[in-house]
Amino acid sequence: GNSVTQMEGPVTLSEEAFLTINCTYTATGYPSLFWYVQYPGEGLQLLLKATKADDKGSNKGFEATYRKETTSFHLEKGSVQVSDSAVYFCALTLNTGGFKTIFGAGTRLFVKA
Amino acid sequence: DGGITQSPKYLFRKEGQNVTLSCEQNLNHDAMYWYRQDPGQGLRLIYYSQIVNDFQKGDIAEGYSVSREKKESFPLTVTSAQKNPTAFYLCASSIKRGTNTGELFFGEGSRLTVL
Repeated sequence: GNSVTQMEGPVTLSEEAFLTINCTYTATGYPSLFWYVQYPGEGLQLLLKATKADDKGSNKGFEATYRKETTSFHLEKGSVQVSDSAVYFCALTLNTGGFKTIFGAGTRLFVKA
Repeated sequence: DGGITQSPKYLFRKEGQNVTLSCEQNLNHDAMYWYRQDPGQGLRLIYYSQIVNDFQKGDIAEGYSVSREKKESFPLTVTSAQKNPTAFYLCASSIKRGTNTGELFFGEGSRLTVL
């Protein structure tokens, strides 16, 4: 079956620290991969995406590379800020005549000043 | 500005009552979705609709109902048959076909609490 597994949180970092949130997936077919971010009390919003193997998605200093050989899409940022504190969701979408999206459980990030 | 509007943001319900959550989009998207989010968990799909007057059950449809009479609107009713309805409900939409990659656009969510 199709699934997404991401590292459990919470992750607590000091400002300017390096961030990695691991994400691996299982999928039949060729999914697109996404990272969504959810700030407190809000809905999710797209952070970045990659649609094929070796693509790198990037936005707001965050990056993730679609690794087909390791079925991974790890999220990284070189220097986090307090404003990056949020819940991060890894997701895959398959086009099966309509789009089906499967989410990971989410990883909560706390950044301390 | 285009987007998805959910209302109400907060809702309290007594046991045994049905409640309806509103979701309206002006993005001209074909597909709309309802997800449920519980603390510490990912999103679980309740219902989705790819076209007006058609919808399908998701992974946790029991105790919920929807309608899709207009492209812009996809209301969700939480019925008294839903055993544990207290949760955060998220509505989303996407472009259905073509070269689109299936990116989801979300509303701000509705938090339902059963008293």
